Amino acid sequence: AQSVTQLGSHVSVSEGALVLLRCNYSSSVPPYLFWYVQYPNQGLQLLLKYTTGATLVKGINGFEAEFKKSETSFHLTKPSAHMSDAAEYFCAVTTTGTASKLTFGTGTRLQVTL
Amino acid sequence: EAQVTQNPRYLITVTGKKLTVTCSQNMNHEYMSWYRQDPGLGLRQIYYSMNVEVTDKGDVPEGYKVSRKEKRNFPLILESPSPNQTSLYFCASSPLTGPQSAKNIQYFGAGTRLSVL
Repeated sequence: AQSVTQLGSHVSVSEGALVLLRCNYSSSVPPYLFWYVQYPNQGLQLLLKYTTGATLVKGINGFEAEFKKSETSFHLTKPSAHMSDAAEYFCAVTTTGTASKLTFGTGTRLQVTL
Repeated sequence: EAQVTQNPRYLITVTGKKLTVTCSQNMNHEYMSWYRQDPGLGLRQIYYSMNVEVTDKGDVPEGYKVSRKEKRNFPLILESPSPNQTSLYFCASSPLTGPQSAKNIQYFGAGTRLSVL
């Protein structure tokens, strides 16, 4: 079985501050890990993904995440938050080798303040 | 434009009145899936389909039906809706074969907000 845990349902940062959204996974086989973002009144869109290879992956809008097998983590970071980053972020895992059968975390709502 | 289209976007209904939420994708994807999103619970999979006439239950299938008679369409059917099915529903699709499948991306519709009174 696979699962993800997102620590913190709400995170608030100041504009220009570091963004850190935490995700830990559980999987009995090598996982594929994803971060999706949901802007208000929209569907989810892919931010970045880890499948194989380089453990530090870069995504859109300046976000990146590092796969750490020893810590079973895939935390999402951005050096400097922008107001437009305010959204809900979902970590997801699959072990099927494809984008099917994703298991999502409960989400973290990011608030960016002036 | 490549997209997943859900209709309607908003729906208010009453308990027991059958309804269908449609989902259509124009990317020739084999895989399609329905999720419901509830506060504090994230997205939970209702049903999925690996190809035409191949469907299977996800994590929360009770009270829902699906069909996959054509590759592009994957309607979600609530035969007797109840208030606990009030939620935000998302349809998604993904390629399982071909060069695009290596990208491992699910494409989501804009969502259907359902209220069952």
